[in-house]
Amino acid sequence: AQSVTQPDIHITVSEGASLELRCNYSYGATPYLFWYVQSPGQGLQLLLKYFSGDTLVQGIKGFEAEFKRSQSSFNLRKPSVHWSDAAEYFCAVVVPSGSARQLTFGSGTQLTVLP
Amino acid sequence: DAGVTQSPTHLIKTRGQQVTLRCSPKSGHDTVSWYQQALGQGPQFIFQYYEEEERQRGNFPDRFSGHQFPNYSSELNVNALLLGDSALYLCASSLVQGSYNEQFFGPGTRLTVL
Repeated sequence: AQSVTQPDIHITVSEGASLELRCNYSYGATPYLFWYVQSPGQGLQLLLKYFSGDTLVQGIKGFEAEFKRSQSSFNLRKPSVHWSDAAEYFCAVVVPSGSARQLTFGSGTQLTVLP
Repeated sequence: DAGVTQSPTHLIKTRGQQVTLRCSPKSGHDTVSWYQQALGQGPQFIFQYYEEEERQRGNFPDRFSGHQFPNYSSELNVNALLLGDSALYLCASSLVQGSYNEQFFGPGTRLTVL
């Protein structure tokens, strides 16, 4: 079955530490890949996206993600976390052949940042 | 330039009632998608509207219906509310043209069914 998996429900890191959030997908072909962030009471904000080409993509707020076809993964990273990064993070995919191209989301990873 | 707006912000209903949620897309966008986000879960696609017609639908019952107006704004209607319909309802807008266009999300409407 087609799916997006975020194995970590909750991650806690200290401010200034590095961060990696995991995302795996299961689709017949490589979908378009996205990372969104959601702060309390706010909608979803796009951090970065991957369609094709360079497998390391840069996003906003100092985030980057690496696409690894062999592992069907698209992990999100940040070298040094800031307290303002505390939020929920969602990995999402779009099947390019679909007409509506709706986003399919993972279940999310809640990030807590310790001072 | 206003982004995607949704109304109301919060809503409380009782089981069996009907509810209408509203969405105004980002300026220049012609496509509206609706998502349901239950507590502790990722958003799930309900349906998408383009040219005032439903283009695709996710795995939601017919109790969920929608409409798109000529100015591209959209409504989501839910009939015969169930407790399980309690969720954050997100609207996203985009442009239909091109290989893929980013979907911009509104802040959502929090629906509580008692």
